[in-house]
Amino acid sequence: EAGVTQSPTHLIKTRGQQATLRCSPISGHTSVYWYQQALGLGLQFLLWYDEGEERNRGNFPPRFSGRQFPNYSSELNVNALELEDSALYLCASSFLRGKDQPQHFGDGTRLSIL
Amino acid sequence: GQQVMQIPQYQHVQEGEDFTTYCNSSTTLSNIQWYKQRPGGHPVFLIQLVKSGEVKKQKRLTFQFGEAKKNSSLHITATQTTDVGTYFCAGRGGGADGLTFGKGTHLIIQP
Repeated sequence: EAGVTQSPTHLIKTRGQQATLRCSPISGHTSVYWYQQALGLGLQFLLWYDEGEERNRGNFPPRFSGRQFPNYSSELNVNALELEDSALYLCASSFLRGKDQPQHFGDGTRLSIL
Repeated sequence: GQQVMQIPQYQHVQEGEDFTTYCNSSTTLSNIQWYKQRPGGHPVFLIQLVKSGEVKKQKRLTFQFGEAKKNSSLHITATQTTDVGTYFCAGRGGGADGLTFGKGTHLIIQP
């Protein structure tokens, strides 16, 4: 069974640009979660999508947005990039919403802002 | 909002010593999950606890969920170099839709 896949592995941008990160969940998983992992700050919850809808949002500005496609894959978009957006962005998927299923993580996208 | 705090942030141990990390929530949790992230890797699910006072074991790892369902602990007996990594707890509040992760405990093992 293929795991959660994320692309690209690394992304280098400059301030003010826009970044798009992609995630494909494990087959059969309908929920996709996005997290930001900056150095020393642990996992900060960004967004949760399930069945194509945004279910919950973390404490991040509106320039962080995303969507989930009919095949349950997901995109995270970050507009007007700032230096502090440099971090590892992790995507996770799980099987059933509200059923407290474990989250399965991808290897992440390392976003570097110059 | 719900907060999940983990202590300690860093723990250095000699190989063979025991290790414990603690997780405390500001609200009652419906369940708690534990994850391990190896250096350079991604978090991997270890276990989920649901019942008040629940204790689960995985070989040298013992997980506990407090009676009030507001705290949890992970204890590793006789650490090995393969235990190196960051251990995260993640809790779901009774009315919350998502998991709240603690900041993690970094376990460093000196041979």
